[in-house]
Amino acid sequence: QVQLVQSGAEVKKPGASVKVSCKASGYTFTNYAIHWVRQAPGQRLEWMGWINTATTNAKYSQKFQGRVTITRDTSASTAYMELSSLTSEDTAVYYCARDRYASGSWWFDPWGQGTLVTVSS
Amino acid sequence: SSELTQDPAVSVALGQTVRITCQGDSLRSYYATWYQQRPGQAPVVVIYGKNNRPSGIPDRFSGSSSGNTASLTITGAQAEDEADYFCNFRDSSGNHVFGTGTKVTVL
Repeated sequence: QVQLVQSGAEVKKPGASVKVSCKASGYTFTNYAIHWVRQAPGQRLEWMGWINTATTNAKYSQKFQGRVTITRDTSASTAYMELSSLTSEDTAVYYCARDRYASGSWWFDPWGQGTLVTVSS
Repeated sequence: SSELTQDPAVSVALGQTVRITCQGDSLRSYYATWYQQRPGQAPVVVIYGKNNRPSGIPDRFSGSSSGNTASLTITGAQAEDEADYFCNFRDSSGNHVFGTGTKVTVL
């Protein structure tokens, strides 16, 4: 079945960087883009950006521009999200999700299980 | 504006109907997608496009739109429908925006 499996929880100090992985299986990796979405405790979902897994072109939310980098390794069917200059406000669960499109609509399906990133001194 | 606003919380009696709304100027031009998120779990899409349900989503979930408001209706709510619901759209530049979220309680 189609699934995305993410790397495990991370604890980072302020100012550090974190890199989260998202391994895809059950489909051709380069046929679908991958998005990254985060959710701080008790907060709404927040879209961070996406990568065209066939071309490596990436697009980022203005909020995270300059601080986030999304990459992929086609040989490993894995996408990565690296966030730098971490602060306590970056404490959140980070999700990857596969891009879907039909009839003028876009949606995310499936989602990874989520990776908790805790930023604390 | 690309903001999407939802009511923070709604409640519904078991078996009754509840409508969740999502307001934003951008919804005059784009369809909303709806996600269900149960506690401690990743979101799951329940409605996309005009009113499309992915396979496996019960037909008690339906979507509609009017002006700047998109709606998700649960007809005959079940206990397992208790969750947070988020609306979302993708603009012409490829940016995605999520709504503020609605917590649905089934009484």
